[in-house]
Amino acid sequence: KAGVTQTPRYLIKTRGQQVTLSCSPISGHRSVSWYQQTPGQGLQFLFEYFSETQRNKGNFPGRFSGRQFSNSRSEMNVSTLELGDSALYLCASTTGPGELFFGEGSRLTVL
Amino acid sequence: DAKTTQPPSMDCAEGRAANLPCNHSTISGNEYVYWYRQIHSQGPQYIIHGLKNNETNEMASLIITEDRKSSTLILPHATLRDTAVYYCIVRVAHTGTASKLTFGTGTRLQVTL
Repeated sequence: KAGVTQTPRYLIKTRGQQVTLSCSPISGHRSVSWYQQTPGQGLQFLFEYFSETQRNKGNFPGRFSGRQFSNSRSEMNVSTLELGDSALYLCASTTGPGELFFGEGSRLTVL
Repeated sequence: DAKTTQPPSMDCAEGRAANLPCNHSTISGNEYVYWYRQIHSQGPQYIIHGLKNNETNEMASLIITEDRKSSTLILPHATLRDTAVYYCIVRVAHTGTASKLTFGTGTRLQVTL
């Protein structure tokens, strides 16, 4: 059974640009969550989607947005990139309470 | 979700049991204890979870005290591949759904020869 797939794995952007990250959950998983990991703040919850609806949102500015498609694939977008947005962005899917399956992440560097 | 406290780092000799403690003194009756680990540069990996009974799976055992204010994750025979950051998380479980996980700073376990 394939795991959670995130693309791209690495990317470099400059300040002011925008970026879109993609996540394909494990087949049959309808819930997708996104997390940001930085050395200073650790792992922080961004948002969660279930059946194409955002069900929970972390404490991030409106520049961070996401969506989920009918096939449960999800994308997150960060607009007007700032240097502090450099991070590992992790996607997780689940079909049960608390047992999240994480992807390998997309490492974003903002110059 | 209740706050957890873990030691920042621990060492363990390969082949020995690694016992990772977690304090969650403000845990509520409907909150579960979850353990995840993150090996360098990889996504976190689910290990085990429990409510009040001790739990065991192929990876580890989870011992929760009777008052539920603390727990211990036990890796019975640690190997070098178990070197990772281990996170103890307390949260309410919602059947059939996911909800956010609040990761603390975790315990960095170093397994040595």
